[in-house]
Amino acid sequence: SQQGEEDPQALSIQEGENATMNCSYKTSINNLQWYRQNSGRGLVHLILIRSNEREKHSGRLRVTLDTSKKSSSLLITASRAADTASYFCATVSGGYQKVTFGTGTKLQVIP
Amino acid sequence: EAGVTQSPTHLIKTRGQQATLRCSPISGHTSVYWYQQALGLGLQFLLWYDEGEERNRGNFPPRFSGRQFPNYSSELNVNALELEDSALYLCASSSLNEQFFGPGTRLTVL
Repeated sequence: SQQGEEDPQALSIQEGENATMNCSYKTSINNLQWYRQNSGRGLVHLILIRSNEREKHSGRLRVTLDTSKKSSSLLITASRAADTASYFCATVSGGYQKVTFGTGTKLQVIP
Repeated sequence: EAGVTQSPTHLIKTRGQQATLRCSPISGHTSVYWYQQALGLGLQFLLWYDEGEERNRGNFPPRFSGRQFPNYSSELNVNALELEDSALYLCASSSLNEQFFGPGTRLTVL
């Protein structure tokens, strides 16, 4: 089964609203990362949060990490139509820095 | 700085054939990762190469193999293609904890 399970699978919101995506994982991690993918192409790294961090911001992105619950959330504030994409969380764990991706959340921002 | 490049962009094969996908990492990156993304699914880790060695392998049959060359570019080979191998194959190279992805190769098996 996937190390990262994301919720919801799909999300549709109006432009200007906030979008929240959640990611749960099973094993201990070194860090957790969020990626964005447009139209089935390559992924773009958005943000990395280390296991000893609880919250991180980057522009309109806010990521939280709760290691006790093994979960993370990605908040996109004031969404734009250009934010329409699939968003994946990825956990990095172990000495070999194994990267495991979640199943992704498909976000649609309606103009 | 050039990003990760992959070739070909699209590849159409028939069942039973063999496919070779290529990846060039960002200059200075020694690690290359391969992922399979089947339609509507998340990324499945395939292989990780570092310094020319296979470091880790995902839960895929042996007909999925690869190698990394001295210039750190990499090949993914899929033998005896099956219909369910149709997917987007993504390659990434890494610096510290961040992976930089190529645009992918879309493999279609007919």
